[in-house]
Amino acid sequence: NAGVTQTPKFQVLKTGQSMTLQCAQDMNHEYMSWYRQDPGMGLRLIHYSVGAGITDQGEVPNGYNVSRSTTEDFPLRLLSAAPSQTSVYFCASMGAGLGQNYEQYFGPGTRLTVT
Amino acid sequence: DAKTTQPPSMDCAEGRAANLPCNHSTISGNEYVYWYRQIHSQGPQYIIHGLKNNETNEMASLIITEDRKSSTLILPHATLRDTAVYYCIVRADHGSSNTGKLIFGQGTTLQVKP
Repeated sequence: NAGVTQTPKFQVLKTGQSMTLQCAQDMNHEYMSWYRQDPGMGLRLIHYSVGAGITDQGEVPNGYNVSRSTTEDFPLRLLSAAPSQTSVYFCASMGAGLGQNYEQYFGPGTRLTVT
Repeated sequence: DAKTTQPPSMDCAEGRAANLPCNHSTISGNEYVYWYRQIHSQGPQYIIHGLKNNETNEMASLIITEDRKSSTLILPHATLRDTAVYYCIVRADHGSSNTGKLIFGQGTTLQVKP
């Protein structure tokens, strides 16, 4: 299994540009989440999904959109990038149900800079 | 989800046990205690979790007090590679709609020294 993959690894945007951060997992996990981590801070939850077609907001959802059309993919969209969105973005997935320990698996992160 | 309180930093000598405390005095009866760690700029890594009883796995031990208001993560023989930020998180019962949400605090930066 590749686990949780994220693309791109690095990205520089100009203020006002839009882009989509990609996240995919091959473990057939129901739960997927997006977090951001600012320098010297802990992770903050942006959006999460408990299954295909179901998403909900986390702690800091403003400026971000998500959708979950398949179990495997959970893209994060920045509609109009702002310098305050400069951060490292982590995607995570988690299995649930019988035989699962509810462990979240994190991707390697996308380092985004908005100028 | 309950809020946790951890010391911002700790040091530990290589080869000794590292004991990382966490206070979660407002934890609810259906909330689990989870520990993750983040090495340098990598994605966080799961370590261990528990509800009431003490737990042990190949990485660490988790000691939860009887009143469940605090816990301690124990790395029995710390190595330099255990230098990381350690996060204590409490979250809702398995199977609830909140299960997929992890609310991270500031964590404890553990520095293992030679």
